Amino acid sequence: DIQMTQSPSTLSASVGDRVTITCRASQSVSSWLAWYQQKPGKAPKLLIYRASTLESGVPSRFSGSGSGTEFTLTISSLQPDDFATYYCQQYNAYYTFGQGTKLEIK
Amino acid sequence: EVQLVQSGAEVKKPGESLKISCKGSGYNFTNYSIAWVRQMPGKGLEWMGVIYPGDSDTRYSPSFQGQVTLSVDKSNSIAFLQWGSLRASDTASYYCARREVFHGLDVWGQGTTVTVSS
Repeated sequence: DIQMTQSPSTLSASVGDRVTITCRASQSVSSWLAWYQQKPGKAPKLLIYRASTLESGVPSRFSGSGSGTEFTLTISSLQPDDFATYYCQQYNAYYTFGQGTKLEIK
Repeated sequence: EVQLVQSGAEVKKPGESLKISCKGSGYNFTNYSIAWVRQMPGKGLEWMGVIYPGDSDTRYSPSFQGQVTLSVDKSNSIAFLQWGSLRASDTASYYCARREVFHGLDVWGQGTTVTVSS
């Protein structure tokens, strides 16, 4: 099974900050990597697929990069609506999610 | 509008059976697999399995193989997740999601909360 490890587990930041979340795969997943945002009590929402392609309707302050085993999600200027939990997911071999990164208001 | 609508919250006793549903609309249901994802209280997302409505081909995560059953009624565009005998540890929110080959899981249901308690 492919394991996905996110860091950090929790991130405290302020509105306007630039933040980066890292996701590492235990083996190469090529570019079959997605990022999701989840707010309490809500379903996850797809933000980025194929490691770096923005899903339709997602603000351009979100960006993704990486391939193989190392990936990043960057939010260029945090907005109040961005405080949530973020998950990476590989879909190269079925599916595995990272453990999540909770983005909190500092 | 493409959407998945799941059945409502359930409260069950240990040992009872349960079948929850996920109805697709706004797209050709037969052409896209449906994945199921568990989220235990306060925890992360876990992939359970995926089913292709066209031929009911099903794949389970090793962690859930033998614990749940996926099925579909493609004539009514509904996917199902069922348990034969619930345990307290099945208490969780369950999400269905549409699998798009390049996008991953691009459309999600609103979730079904299952509570198992004596």
